[in-house]
Amino acid sequence: NAGVTQTPKFQVLKTGQSMTLQCAQDMNHEYMSWYRQDPGMGLRLIHYSVGAGITDQGEVPNGYNVSRSTTEDFPLRLLSAAPSQTSVYFCASSFSLNRGAYSYEQYFGPGTRLTVT
Amino acid sequence: GIQVEQSPPDLILQEGANSTLRCNFSDSVNNLQWFHQNPWGQLINLFYIPSGTKQNGRLSATTVATERYSLLYISSSQTTDSGVYFCAVEKETSGSRLTFGEGTQLTVNP
Repeated sequence: NAGVTQTPKFQVLKTGQSMTLQCAQDMNHEYMSWYRQDPGMGLRLIHYSVGAGITDQGEVPNGYNVSRSTTEDFPLRLLSAAPSQTSVYFCASSFSLNRGAYSYEQYFGPGTRLTVT
Repeated sequence: GIQVEQSPPDLILQEGANSTLRCNFSDSVNNLQWFHQNPWGQLINLFYIPSGTKQNGRLSATTVATERYSLLYISSSQTTDSGVYFCAVEKETSGSRLTFGEGTQLTVNP
């Protein structure tokens, strides 16, 4: 299993540009989440999804959109990039039923380092 | 929302020393996880431990849910243990909406 994959690893945007951060998982997890990590801080939840077609806002959703058309993929869209969105973005997945046991651990992708100038 | 406080914020050890990291949370939770963020930024799940005690090699964790705290023990520390340790909690069980503490930065010197 590749686990949780994210692309790109690095990205530089100009203010006002838009882009999509890609996230995919191959662990058959029902739940997926996006977090941002700013220097010296813990992670903050942007958006999450509890299944295909179902998304909801987290703690810091402004400026970001998500959709979940398949179980495997959960892209994050920046609508009009701002310098305040300079951060490291992590995608994560959780919740599966395997051999009769539920698993609630969250697994993270390697992150995307985004700089907005 | 739930508040998560981790202590100490920074810890410097000599290789071979033991340490205890603490996580306090402000409300009842059904999901608590410990993560290690290595110097390359990768987040690794160490424990899912909403209550009780677990051990994995030199690491162990204990959560006392009724008193709203969790402890992570690292014994015989190695330089590869360096990094940031995060505690994260959730009122539900799913693990999809974790609230993170600000972490403990651990440096293990040879």
